[in-house]
Amino acid sequence: QKEVEQDPGPLSVPEGAIVSLNCTYSNSAFQYFMWYRQYSRKGPELLMYTYSSGNKEDGRFTAQVDKSSKYISLFIRDSQPSDSATYLCASLGAGSYQLTFGKGTKLSVIP
Amino acid sequence: DAMVIQNPRYQVTQFGKPVTLSCSQTLNHNVMYWYQQKSSQAPKLLFHYYDKDFNNEADTPDNFQSRRPNTSFCFLDIRSPGLGDTAMYLCATSRDGQGGGYTFGSGTRLTVV
Repeated sequence: QKEVEQDPGPLSVPEGAIVSLNCTYSNSAFQYFMWYRQYSRKGPELLMYTYSSGNKEDGRFTAQVDKSSKYISLFIRDSQPSDSATYLCASLGAGSYQLTFGKGTKLSVIP
Repeated sequence: DAMVIQNPRYQVTQFGKPVTLSCSQTLNHNVMYWYQQKSSQAPKLLFHYYDKDFNNEADTPDNFQSRRPNTSFCFLDIRSPGLGDTAMYLCATSRDGQGGGYTFGSGTRLTVV
């Protein structure tokens, strides 16, 4: 079993929709949870970061981590065509250096 | 803005011809990483430096080497590239391995012909 599972999609939504992206993980040692956005042929851009459980909001983006169910979520409100990209969830254990990534979900926001 | 800069953005090299990719950072992070990302796959860690200490992943081919002459710069050397080494190579940095500032550069897209 891969340590971080993510539905690769693709996911297509109309402009203005609320997008929900999700990952599950199996390693209880994970402490840091990140969401990266990656445009085609570019490097991953850090969108949101959460330490341990909880919610974090930044503009149209909300990240949630539920350690009891090992569930990671990213919500995008009022989605825009510029949000079209691949979204990668990633986890990191305390004292570890290697990010464990999900496969990435390819999102298309249709005008 | 503080950032991670990779050069070149695109590199084409011949089969077996050594190639060097470079990375510089202005974040003053003490940990620097090299990841390999093949098409439609998640990035895979090749190795990292914690300060001057080099840490190789067990499954990284011997063909891949790295140098970190100072805090700001790190190089990836591929001694004899094969066709299977065609990929995006990503440099990343962090402070003490913490997740909050784990920052990637824009990548170098390497094509081996």
